[in-house]
Parts: sequence; C-alpha cells; structure tokens
Amino acid sequence: AQSVTQLDSHVSVSEGTPVLLRCNYSSSYSPSLFWYVQHPNKGLQLLLKYTSAATLVKGINGFEAEFKKSETSFHLTKPSAHMSDAAEYFCVVSDRGSARQLTFGSGTQLTVLP
Amino acid sequence: KAGVTQTPRYLIKTRGQQVTLSCSPISGHRSVSWYQQTPGQGLQFLFEYFSETQRNKGNFPGRFSGRQFSNSRSEMNVSTLELGDSALYLCASKGQGADTEAFFGQGTRLTVV
Repeated sequence: AQSVTQLDSHVSVSEGTPVLLRCNYSSSYSPSLFWYVQHPNKGLQLLLKYTSAATLVKGINGFEAEFKKSETSFHLTKPSAHMSDAAEYFCVVSDRGSARQLTFGSGTQLTVLP
Repeated sequence: KAGVTQTPRYLIKTRGQQVTLSCSPISGHRSVSWYQQTPGQGLQFLFEYFSETQRNKGNFPGRFSGRQFSNSRSEMNVSTLELGDSALYLCASKGQGADTEAFFGQGTRLTVV
C-alpha cells in the first residue's frame, strides 16, 4: 500500500525567504512522486514530478524537490518566496502496486507575509 | 491545446435530489479520474475510467457512480444527495504511460442544502 504524509499543515514565510514543504511517503514499489499546487477555488496544477530519473527535480516557478529513498522523503523547496506562491500544496504518490492510482497528502497551506 | 473542462462550475441541490457532473478530458487522453475534496477529508479518489471501463474505484457508497463515453468524456452521478456530499469535485485526465502526470479541471463546487 502507498501513503503520503505532509508533515506541516501550515507554513508561513516572509517574502524573499526560502520555502520548505516537507513530505514523506510509503510505497512498496518504486514510486512516482508529484507536487501539485492549488490556488483558491481552482483545480490542481502540477509543479514537478519524479519518475526514477534524476533525484533532484526542477519544476515550474522556481520550485524543486529532492527524492531521498533512504529517508523516504520528497521535500519541496524554493530559494525565495513570492507573494503569488501563497496556496495549498499537495504531495502525491503513485506506484504500480496501486495500479498507478494517485494518493494525496493532506496538504500544506503556504502563507507568504509581506 | 484545451485543458480539462468541468461543467457546471457551481451547483446547489437539495437533500434527496440527484446530480450529474461532466468532465471533458484533454484531447487524446483516455483515462479520466474523479476526486472529492472536502476540508475535513481532503482529496479522496472516487473512480477512474479508461476506454469506457471503470478501472479503479475508491471507497465511496453506491450512490456515487460514473461512466465514460466513446469520446472519453465522463460523467459522475450522485443520487439521493446528503449534506455531507457538499464538496469540490475534481476531474483529472491522463495520457498514455505509467508515469504520466494527471491534469486537473477547475472542479465543480456542489452545495447540498
């Protein structure tokens, strides 16, 4: 079975400071991992994905994530937060054992302070 | 190319009624999945359709059903609506390949009163 734990339900940073959103996963197979962002009353937009190629994955809007198998983690980072980054972020896992069904974390609400 | 389109965007229904939501996937995508999003339960998987066949199903009661047409458009139906069915319903489409990402529509906001 696969599962995802987002370690922080809320993260607050000041504009221009680094962002770290933490995600741990559990998977019986080699997983695919994704980060999605959701702005209020919108659907989910893909930020980046890991699919067993490079462990450091670069995404849109300056975000990146590093796949660490030994720590079963896939934390999302950005060097400098922008006001427009304020949104909810979801870490997502899928593996072949679940027929590639997506399992979502509970989400992290990012607040960016001026 | 056009993204995933969900209609309607907003819907208000009364308890006991039924509702049908529609999803048009990205052209060429044959997989369509449905999710329910609520503040308390987060994002939960409802079901997935591929080439008109239900391929996966989440843990929801039989009041929730869906179908997919030959043009890959999908509908989901909820019968005998309950207050707890109030949620944002999201549809996602995927292309070929095991590791392809899902593309989401903007969702249908269903309010049951």
